[in-house]
Amino acid sequence: RKEVEQDPGPFNVPEGATVAFNCTYSNSASQSFFWYRQDCRKEPKLLMSVYSSGNEDGRFTAQLNRASQYISLLIRDSKLSDSATYLCVLPRPAGNKLTFGGGTRVLVKP
Amino acid sequence: EAGVAQSPRYKIIEKRQSVAFWCNPISGHATLYWYQQILGQGPKLLIQFQNNGVVDDSQLPKDRFSAERLKGVDSTLKIQPAKLEDSAVYLCASSSDTPPTDTQYFGPGTRLTVL
Repeated sequence: RKEVEQDPGPFNVPEGATVAFNCTYSNSASQSFFWYRQDCRKEPKLLMSVYSSGNEDGRFTAQLNRASQYISLLIRDSKLSDSATYLCVLPRPAGNKLTFGGGTRVLVKP
Repeated sequence: EAGVAQSPRYKIIEKRQSVAFWCNPISGHATLYWYQQILGQGPKLLIQFQNNGVVDDSQLPKDRFSAERLKGVDSTLKIQPAKLEDSAVYLCASSSDTPPTDTQYFGPGTRLTVL
């Protein structure tokens, strides 16, 4: 089993709708995670950091389900500019290393 | 604050040729990372430096890839000789020694095409 797995999508979302997608992880000891956003042909950029059970930042909500070992990201009131690939990222226990999932592609359409 | 700088942005070479990429991290960031991102996949760590020392190069194909960070600032990644499967985006990232130390900032990447 991969350390971090994501549905590659794409998730086609009407503008203004809500979309949610998950990321599963294999290391039950993971305590924190990140969501990075990567626009087409651009570098990944940090979207959210989560050090407890969840975090909310505007239209974005991230939640951690430790029992089932998955992380979710929910985007409310989707904007065209939300179209991107969302990378689920787990920090490794030591050494400031990150393990990236393959990314979930989201396409918001008018 | 200036971000992570990388050059060149694009490179096209033929297989068996050599290529080198350059990275300048955010000023003051002690840790520097090189990642390989193949189309449709997430970034994969190739090598991690702490100042000018290697912390982790377990995923670096050492028969053809090499990297250095001689003065603890800039870094170069070299591929010699290149193979078709090396076609990817090579991302450089850096992180600070002050919290949050696990936040990495990425450069724009070098898109390598091997023909």
